[in-house]
Amino acid sequence: QKEVEQNSGPLSVPEGAIASLNCTYSDRVSQSFFWYRQYSGKSPELIMSIYSNGDKEDGRFTAQLNKASQYVSLLIRDSQPSDSATYLCAAPQAHSSASKIIFGSGTRLSIRP
Amino acid sequence: EPEVTQTPSHQVTQMGQEVILRCVPISNHLYFYWYRQILGQKVEFLVSFYNNEISEKSEIFDDQFSVERPDGSNFTLKIRSTKLEDSAMYFCAITDRADPYEQYFGPGTRLTVT
Repeated sequence: QKEVEQNSGPLSVPEGAIASLNCTYSDRVSQSFFWYRQYSGKSPELIMSIYSNGDKEDGRFTAQLNKASQYVSLLIRDSQPSDSATYLCAAPQAHSSASKIIFGSGTRLSIRP
Repeated sequence: EPEVTQTPSHQVTQMGQEVILRCVPISNHLYFYWYRQILGQKVEFLVSFYNNEISEKSEIFDDQFSVERPDGSNFTLKIRSTKLEDSAMYFCAITDRADPYEQYFGPGTRLTVT
C-alpha cells in the first residue's frame, strides 16, 4: 500500500540554482511532514518539519505543504555541492506522540559544480 | 536537538547467532524507536517503546526480535537467531519533550549476517 511517494531521481541541479524535491501522500498518513537528508552510508538527518498548510522557511530550505492536493515539497536555494544526498520525505502514521514514521523511498539529489 | 549514540557501528555475525544492538540517548528523551534500512531500500519501522513497554511494532518485528532498557538508560534491540535477510542498517531514533513528533536518528549499526 502506497503512502508516501517520491521520485527516486537522480535530480541533477547546477551549483547555485534552486533544487525542488516533491512528495505526494495518501490519506493514510498524518498530515504532518518531515524532510530528512541522508548521505550515503549515514543515518537520516532531520532538516525540516511542517505541520500546517503553506510555506515554512529555514535558512536555504523551504518546505511547502498543500493538504488539498496531498503534496509536500522541499526547495533548496543556492544549492551547494554539500547538498548532494538522498532526501527522504516522511510522515507519521498518525498525529500522535510515538507514532511510527512512514518514509518515502527518497530522491537522490546531485549538485554539479 | 536530542542526541543518541549507537554501538557497535558495524557488527558481523554468522547466521543463527544472537546479536544485541545498543542505543544510548545523550539528552532528554521521551520515546524510543528502532528502524532498519536494507541496502538500497526504504527506512522501515520496527518498534516503538515508551515507559518501559512496547507502544507499537511492525510485522517485521516477530518473535526473533526483542527490545528492552536493561539499566534505565541504554535501549537495546536483540535478534535471537539472525538470518541472512536481517543484514541491514539498524537505526535507533528518539524524540524529546520539546517536540514529541520529531524523531532524531542515531548514527546506526551496520549488521552483516554471513
